[in-house]
Amino acid sequence: GNSVTQMEGPVTLSEEAFLTINCTYTATGYPSLFWYVQYPGEGLQLLLKATKADDKGSNKGFEATYRKETTSFHLEKGSVQVSDSAVYFCALRGRAAGNKLTFGGGTRVLVKP
Amino acid sequence: EAQVTQNPRYLITVTGKKLTVTCSQNMNHEYMSWYRQDPGLGLRQIYYSMNVEVTDKGDVPEGYKVSRKEKRNFPLILESPSPNQTSLYFCASRETQSGTKNIQYFGAGTRLSVL
Repeated sequence: GNSVTQMEGPVTLSEEAFLTINCTYTATGYPSLFWYVQYPGEGLQLLLKATKADDKGSNKGFEATYRKETTSFHLEKGSVQVSDSAVYFCALRGRAAGNKLTFGGGTRVLVKP
Repeated sequence: EAQVTQNPRYLITVTGKKLTVTCSQNMNHEYMSWYRQDPGLGLRQIYYSMNVEVTDKGDVPEGYKVSRKEKRNFPLILESPSPNQTSLYFCASRETQSGTKNIQYFGAGTRLSVL
């Protein structure tokens, strides 16, 4: 079956530091890949997505590239802010209509001033 | 505004006392689902529904029931809650058709504690 593995946190950074959160996946076929963000006390929000190999998703300064050869979708941001403190989830979904999202375990990121 | 609304946001109950968590979406989505979030495990799907009167088990359905009598509502029912169902629950919805453009929207979550 499908699975997603992402690095465990917490990740603690200083403001303006570079952030990378690793995500690798196992899936049949060509899934879509997603990063969701969960701010404290809130639900999950879609941060970015990529639907085919070599696609780059980007939003709010975050980027992730769909790498089929390494089955990876690492999240990066060049200069984090305190407001980026959140839990980040990598997820995938197959292309059939009923396919569900499969999530990684989540990575908590704490950005200190 | 596109919304998935869950109620209540917080709930403390005792073992064996039946409870229902409601979920409603205003986007006319066919697909709705329930997840539970536990530390280190990410979100795991409990049940999902492809449309009215069509429901199916997800990865962790034991101890839960759902119903889909109307398109907008998808309540989660715990007939006899147990402490291992203490968790953070999320309802989500999206369009059903296959493909990659349909984004899943999540509710704000329901934190349940079963004593």
